[in-house]
Amino acid sequence: GESVGLHLPTLSVQEGDNSIINCAYSNSASDYFIWYKQESGKGPQFIIDIRSNMDKRQGQRVTVLLNKTVKHLSLQIAATQPGDSAVYFCAEIPSNSGYALNFGKGTSLLVTP
Amino acid sequence: GAGVSQSPRYKVAKRGQDVALRCDPISGHVSLFWYQQALGQGPEFLTYFQNEAQLDKSGLPSDRFFAERPEGSVSTLKIQRTQQEDSAVYLCASSLGNEQYFGPGTRLTVT
Repeated sequence: GESVGLHLPTLSVQEGDNSIINCAYSNSASDYFIWYKQESGKGPQFIIDIRSNMDKRQGQRVTVLLNKTVKHLSLQIAATQPGDSAVYFCAEIPSNSGYALNFGKGTSLLVTP
Repeated sequence: GAGVSQSPRYKVAKRGQDVALRCDPISGHVSLFWYQQALGQGPEFLTYFQNEAQLDKSGLPSDRFFAERPEGSVSTLKIQRTQQEDSAVYLCASSLGNEQYFGPGTRLTVT
């Protein structure tokens, strides 16, 4: 069935390096994508979003890239810090829904000193 | 507080018991969502409210699950005759626009 999924379940990076977390989606009707960060014992926290009419969006230390041709989404974190250690989820809102988030399984990011 | 709050944070129920989980959304947020998150998985949509109206309950796994938001603010998710497969974290989120703000969740363990 149509789903949002992630290429890698875990990612370990050294402090100060850049991190790239990838996500594949299969629902071509999706027009809104969001990256969430979830720390242990907390709810998901919004990081950055992007609409399907864009291919890149930048925030503070984060960049989201959207490749609609291959249905791929990525989150880039610059100068990764220990506080970035968490599980990262990509989520989509299909255009036929308009509100319900469809989450992938998540990637666990571990930042080592 | 300024964020979404949920109570209790942890709930242990014996199989067959009924439970009620509470969500206090951010004041003024029209939309409210419930999600279920199994261990090691992403959250899955359960139901959606716009003010007091439940517009979508397509994600509720069975008729043992019931949600309400009678005054368009606080919401309660009720699970009747709990089963072991109901063990999960139940997340509530509220929003004004596209961005959904999540609470810390209630971890339900059914023994």
